[in-house]
Amino acid sequence: QVQLQQWGAGLLKPSETLSLTCAVYGGSFSNYYWNWIRQPPEKGLEWIGEINHGGSTNYNPSLKSRVTISVDTSKNQFSLNLNSVTAADTAVYYCAIGYSSGLIDYWGQGTPVTVSS
Amino acid sequence: DIQMTQSPSTLSASVGDRVTITCRASQSISTWLAWYQQKPGTAPKLLIYKASSLESGVPSRFSGSGSGTEFTLSISSLQPDDFATYYCQQYDSYSWTFGQGTKVEIK
Repeated sequence: QVQLQQWGAGLLKPSETLSLTCAVYGGSFSNYYWNWIRQPPEKGLEWIGEINHGGSTNYNPSLKSRVTISVDTSKNQFSLNLNSVTAADTAVYYCAIGYSSGLIDYWGQGTPVTVSS
Repeated sequence: DIQMTQSPSTLSASVGDRVTITCRASQSISTWLAWYQQKPGTAPKLLIYKASSLESGVPSRFSGSGSGTEFTLSISSLQPDDFATYYCQQYDSYSWTFGQGTKVEIK
């Protein structure tokens, strides 16, 4: 059974950097596409970006200039950094993985992140 | 980006009803479409992929259809556990995009 566990700071000030990490338990870590997705309060889902097992990344153009997704295969973990956050970045952030690009088979539990001065 | 538009935004129905949710893409996405169910305070769950393929473990009362730009998710007989918000998502071309969601409420 595949499980994702994510963690990171939940309260940030404007201009700080959001950093989240997701650990994957079970399954074959190297076979996945690793994604981050967010959901602002009372709103829908927004894809942030994806990294594949070759190390190639694709990002949402609206966030591309501020986002970095990386993977550490030795620890079965992947991470999200989003710099220069503002109140508009307040959301629940999910890590998520899939066996094929774009399709999300498994989700983390979500990390609420609030940006406030 | 490909825009995904769902209708209706909210749907009121009773247990046992057949319900249908529509998702339209701003350009053709072949059958690269998924449907997810989300309950309050929890992560979404994959129901349907490749427009009509049922994810393992998902009840057979859920079905998906469509291709190109128009897609539907149907629930043949609504159960109490099905009251939730449903999202479509295209994975034809980057960046992946979701519909705005359809909330299925108890009538």
